[in-house]
Amino acid sequence: EAEVAQSPRYKITEKSQAVAFWCDPISGHATLYWYRQILGQGPELLVQFQDESVVDDSQLPKDRFSAERLKGVDSTLKIQPAELGDSAMYLCASSLLGASTDTQYFGPGTRLTVL
Amino acid sequence: AQSVTQLDSQVPVFEEAPVELRCNYSSSVSVYLFWYVQYPNQGLQLLLKYLSGSTLVESINGFEAEFNKSQTSFHLRKPSVHISDTAEYFCAVSGTNTGNQFYFGTGTSLTVIP
Repeated sequence: EAEVAQSPRYKITEKSQAVAFWCDPISGHATLYWYRQILGQGPELLVQFQDESVVDDSQLPKDRFSAERLKGVDSTLKIQPAELGDSAMYLCASSLLGASTDTQYFGPGTRLTVL
Repeated sequence: AQSVTQLDSQVPVFEEAPVELRCNYSSSVSVYLFWYVQYPNQGLQLLLKYLSGSTLVESINGFEAEFNKSQTSFHLRKPSVHISDTAEYFCAVSGTNTGNQFYFGTGTSLTVIP
């Protein structure tokens, strides 16, 4: 069964450093999501792509976070500079069309620890 | 914006006992409802979803949830839990009035006790 791939699985960094996370969605899925999941909370959407275009980045802290999906396939989420409060699980998900009825398929996540 | 409330953050239950995980959402206008499960060190997996039609939906591993429009609830139930059901469970809502965005609850940690 096809899966969403993410790397790295774990990342430890010091504050003010730059970090990057990578996601490869299920082949053929047009929509890609990046979520942040703080310990004890549910996932919160950071950015949503439809193919290579951003359709929702209203919750993305744009002063330090950036995301791209240049060829409409895999995606990179970057944080620069990282802050202590960025420690969280970063989840990538994909869905076929991005409709509100679509099932979202999640990757295993990247656990970020900022020291 | 939509909101999802999962009142129980932790639910311990003995093996083979029944369980109910509660979920309430803020609006009943054109919503679609989902339950996702997250096993330790894994991503979220869809357990079941309600889109339309029968208000009772079932998963392949014995869970069921009922859409109750009047009470704006979508509680998850299982008549007899197994050790392997130990996981975090998230309720989520989407809809045409959410811009196709999904809103997740804070999760319920189910621990099955042998």
